[in-house]
Amino acid sequence: GAVVSQHPSRVICKSGTSVKIECRSLDFQATTMFWYRQFPKQSLMLMATSNEGSKATYEQGVEKDKFLINHASLTLSTLTVTSAHPEDSSFYICSASTTGTRELETQYFGPGTRLLVL
Amino acid sequence: DAKTTQPNSMESNEEEPVHLPCNHSTISGTDYIHWYRQLPSQGPEYVIHGLTSNVNNRMASLAIAEDRKSSTLILHRATLRDAAVYYCILINRKAAGNKLTFGGGTRVLVKP
Repeated sequence: GAVVSQHPSRVICKSGTSVKIECRSLDFQATTMFWYRQFPKQSLMLMATSNEGSKATYEQGVEKDKFLINHASLTLSTLTVTSAHPEDSSFYICSASTTGTRELETQYFGPGTRLLVL
Repeated sequence: DAKTTQPNSMESNEEEPVHLPCNHSTISGTDYIHWYRQLPSQGPEYVIHGLTSNVNNRMASLAIAEDRKSSTLILHRATLRDAAVYYCILINRKAAGNKLTFGGGTRVLVKP
């Protein structure tokens, strides 16, 4: 159980275009989803936290107008990279957590989406 | 958030145990100790977590020092599939949002 999927797994786009990445919890309801970014040889950096039905909370330094997050249902969150530029090329990873006493401490991660902006 | 310190890398031979240390001297009483690992080109996966007592599961064991200022993740018999970056993370159960702050982790290399 507790499987999180991401789509697409990799995407190549031209500079200036927008890219949407989907994150789905397949067998549980995720009240909270997180979006991370990871550059080569570096650790994961949290970008934003989203709760179903409310606006996402962005970490300091992350532009909310550039990285649009929508968490419309308990099983789906999307991240849209708007007007992508080469410096946005990275590995984007989502995770999901559930409510509940024991599960609250655990996050389940998706397999990641590798974005390359040309 | 309380900070954790881990060695950058460790090497092990296949079929041998691996002991991964983590120092967290500023841990608070409500911080849980979590371990995640990230295999190459994949998202992280949960390994184990604990509060005060040692914990065992099918993946690993977690040994927590009596003063809770350090802990050790134990892989009992390393396999090539265990080659990954292992992250030790503290999560304050009382804090809202359940955010994970990833440090540099320990890159484990398993030699055949």
